Amino acid sequence: GAVVSQHPSWVICKSGTSVKIECRSLDFQATTMFWYRQFPKQSLMLMATSNEGSKATYEQGVEKDKFLINHASLTLSTLTVTSAHPEDSSFYICSARDYRTGRAGELFFGEGSRLTVL
Amino acid sequence: AQTVTQSQPEMSVQEAETVTLSCTYDTSESDYYLFWYKQPPSRQMILVIRQEAYKQQNATENRFSVNFQKAAKSFSLKISDSQLGDAAMYFCAYRSREETSGSRLTFGEGTQLTVNP
Repeated sequence: GAVVSQHPSWVICKSGTSVKIECRSLDFQATTMFWYRQFPKQSLMLMATSNEGSKATYEQGVEKDKFLINHASLTLSTLTVTSAHPEDSSFYICSARDYRTGRAGELFFGEGSRLTVL
Repeated sequence: AQTVTQSQPEMSVQEAETVTLSCTYDTSESDYYLFWYKQPPSRQMILVIRQEAYKQQNATENRFSVNFQKAAKSFSLKISDSQLGDAAMYFCAYRSREETSGSRLTFGEGTQLTVNP
């Protein structure tokens, strides 16, 4: 199956700093990528939908100025957590769909990125 | 909006036996997809099985099968001959076929499956 890679897999940062997480589709092009947040032993909550070449669509309650999403190419989306605070500590997961398969296509998930804010 | 409910936070099964994980969902749509994903301790999401709502036949993938009851909006997962490697968190998920949904997935709360040797 297709591969989606996230980097870094684990990051620790100080409160007030910004952290960037990358999501790459390695062997396919993705017009749409999704960013999820997962707290320990909880489900995945969709944060935003990232569309190549346009602004991301954020879910209700997600601060777009806090969680900056950029999807500048068909293989890369980035999530930047700005001015991170301890409550932003979480597991962040991206998923992507191969544009060739259309809306019916399978979604492929990255390995996730664990953010710890001290 | 669609919702997905998994009423079993934890389940356990003996190795080689069969276990069924429950999932119900709520939607006003008639055409959609349903999925079961597995999330082992590595946290990598793995697709286990997929069902298209317009298909009456229940999906099967080796030891994994579903019982899809569209009228009841129920979508349970049966794992036969359970193996130690099946231990994981299992998520039921819904995806609309509507163009406006953009392929977004709505997940249930998850069921933590323990397989006892």
